Amino acid sequence: RKEVEQDPGPFNVPEGATVAFNCTYSNSASQSFFWYRQDCRKEPKLLMSVYSSGNEDGRFTAQLNRASQYISLLIRDSKLSDSATYLCVVGNKAAGNKLTFGGGTRVLVKP
Amino acid sequence: DAMVIQNPRYQVTQFGKPVTLSCSQTLNHNVMYWYQQKSSQAPKLLFHYYDKDFNNEADTPDNFQSRRPNTSFCFLDIRSPGLGDAAMYLCATKDAGETQYFGPGTRLLVL
Repeated sequence: RKEVEQDPGPFNVPEGATVAFNCTYSNSASQSFFWYRQDCRKEPKLLMSVYSSGNEDGRFTAQLNRASQYISLLIRDSKLSDSATYLCVVGNKAAGNKLTFGGGTRVLVKP
Repeated sequence: DAMVIQNPRYQVTQFGKPVTLSCSQTLNHNVMYWYQQKSSQAPKLLFHYYDKDFNNEADTPDNFQSRRPNTSFCFLDIRSPGLGDAAMYLCATKDAGETQYFGPGTRLLVL
């Protein structure tokens, strides 16, 4: 079983719609959680950190469920520019803050 | 202004011909990472430096080596590239916080 698992997609989303997807992680000792965005042939860029209380940044909302070991990302009012691969990333301080990446969920926003 | 710089952005090498990829940073971060990312896969950590302390991942092949002559620079040496080593190589840095900052990557092609 992979340490961090994501639905690869693609999620085809009409412009203006809402899309949500999850990521599960296997290491219960994981302590930090992030969503990164990666455009085709570019480097990953931090989208947002994910906190236990959940957090929102504009149209993006992230949630963490420690009991079930998953995190989620919701994108409201999707824009064409939201088309990208979203990487779920989990960190473990005990392992020297090593980050483990999921395989990514591809989102395609269409007009 | 670029904070994590990788050169070259594209590198073509021949099967078995040693190649060196470089990464530099203007952030003065004490941790530097090298990841390998193949098409449609998650970035895979190869190794990282915490200051001058080198930390190799258990499954990183011996073919991959790294050098960090000072805080700003880190090199990835591939001693005998094989066709399977064609990938995007990503450098990242981190300070005391949890966020990793990625460079634009070097795309390696092995002929």
